[in-house]
Amino acid sequence: EDQVTQSPEALRLQEGESSSLNCSYTVSGLRGLFWYRQDPGKGPEFLFTLYSAGEEKEKERLKATLTKKESFLHITAPKPEDSATYLCAVLTNTNAGKSTFGDGTTLTVKP
Amino acid sequence: KAGVTQTPRYLIKTRGQQVTLSCSPISGHRSVSWYQQTPGQGLQFLFEYFSETQRNKGNFPGRFSGRQFSNSRSEMNVSTLELGDSALYLCASTNPTGTGTYEQYFGPGTRLTVT
Repeated sequence: EDQVTQSPEALRLQEGESSSLNCSYTVSGLRGLFWYRQDPGKGPEFLFTLYSAGEEKEKERLKATLTKKESFLHITAPKPEDSATYLCAVLTNTNAGKSTFGDGTTLTVKP
Repeated sequence: KAGVTQTPRYLIKTRGQQVTLSCSPISGHRSVSWYQQTPGQGLQFLFEYFSETQRNKGNFPGRFSGRQFSNSRSEMNVSTLELGDSALYLCASTNPTGTGTYEQYFGPGTRLTVT
């Protein structure tokens, strides 16, 4: 069974204090790993899809990387508006159309 | 480009009733997935449709069903509602391109409260 574990559950940072969120996964046949941002009461907002180990993608202050067992979401010099829950999900070759999600990391950035 | 739309946004139902939720995917997207999100269980996969065919189903009871129309719009139905069905129901639209890349976009969700 596909498994996704995110850590830490919660992270509090000062504005400008860079850090990383972790997403560990156990799947057979990774098709893609998704990162999302979710604000309270809203649907997840798509950030990145990573496909193979060694791949990196960037968007503003966010950079996502992928290895064979985990993915990291690096947040550089975060701002209060980056406060949200960040979700990781995997899509596999054996489970068409089904994304398995981690429980998320809730990030709070204090000014 | 319009995003994924879901209707209604909020719904209050009584135990034992049934409910139908609607999702319109991004234009050109043929895959629609449904998820249930609760504080205790996180995002749980319900089912996925592609070109009107259900390709995958999660571990939910038969009270949860869905369908997809020829224009890719999708509906999900929950019969005999239980208190535990209270949740945010999310629809996601995915368009795998010819290169095998995937981007999955979610709608705003329907907040269902069962009393």
